Amino acid sequence: NAGVTQTPKFQVLKTGQSMTLQCAQDMNHEYMSWYRQDPGMGLRLIHYSVGAGITDQGEVPNGYNVSRSTTEDFPLRLLSAAPSQTSVYFCASSYSAEGQPQHFGDGTRLSIL
Amino acid sequence: AQSVTQLDSQVPVFEEAPVELRCNYSSSVSVYLFWYVQYPNQGLQLLLKYLSGSTLVKGINGFEAEFNKSQTSFHLRKPSVHISDTAEYFCAVSETGSQGNLIFGKGTKLSVKP
Repeated sequence: NAGVTQTPKFQVLKTGQSMTLQCAQDMNHEYMSWYRQDPGMGLRLIHYSVGAGITDQGEVPNGYNVSRSTTEDFPLRLLSAAPSQTSVYFCASSYSAEGQPQHFGDGTRLSIL
Repeated sequence: AQSVTQLDSQVPVFEEAPVELRCNYSSSVSVYLFWYVQYPNQGLQLLLKYLSGSTLVKGINGFEAEFNKSQTSFHLRKPSVHISDTAEYFCAVSETGSQGNLIFGKGTKLSVKP
């Protein structure tokens, strides 16, 4: 099993560009989520999904969109990149929503110039 | 509102010494508690979890944590650390009814010196 796979690992964008961060899991997990990690801030929840076709906002959703058309995939879209979105992004999944530990991908390091 | 406080941002310790990384949380409902470890340029790996039952929880790599409901704490301990334990450690809380969403502390960087 590959677990949670994130692509790309690194990306540099210019302000105003859009892009999609990919996340795929092969564990048949219902719950998936996106976090951003900034120095000294820990991880903060951007968006999450409790199953295919169901998404909701987390703590810091502004500037990001998500969709969940399949159980396996949960892409994160930056609509118009801003320097404040420079961060490391982590995707995570778990078997069910409540009380289950989340499995994390290796992250995407994103720089916005 | 739910929050997680990791009281030490950095903890230096000598090899083979004991270590305690402190975590306090605030919540008005029952919680699930987790400790994750992050090695440089990697994702987060689960160390241990408290869901219910015994308040002393054992995890991987010789770590353990104790849930103290009255003090709303979930401190992480290891009796003897190794150089390889150098990493950043995150405490995380999920409230019952929150659909599994995690609230993370800001992390504690453990530096083990020879």
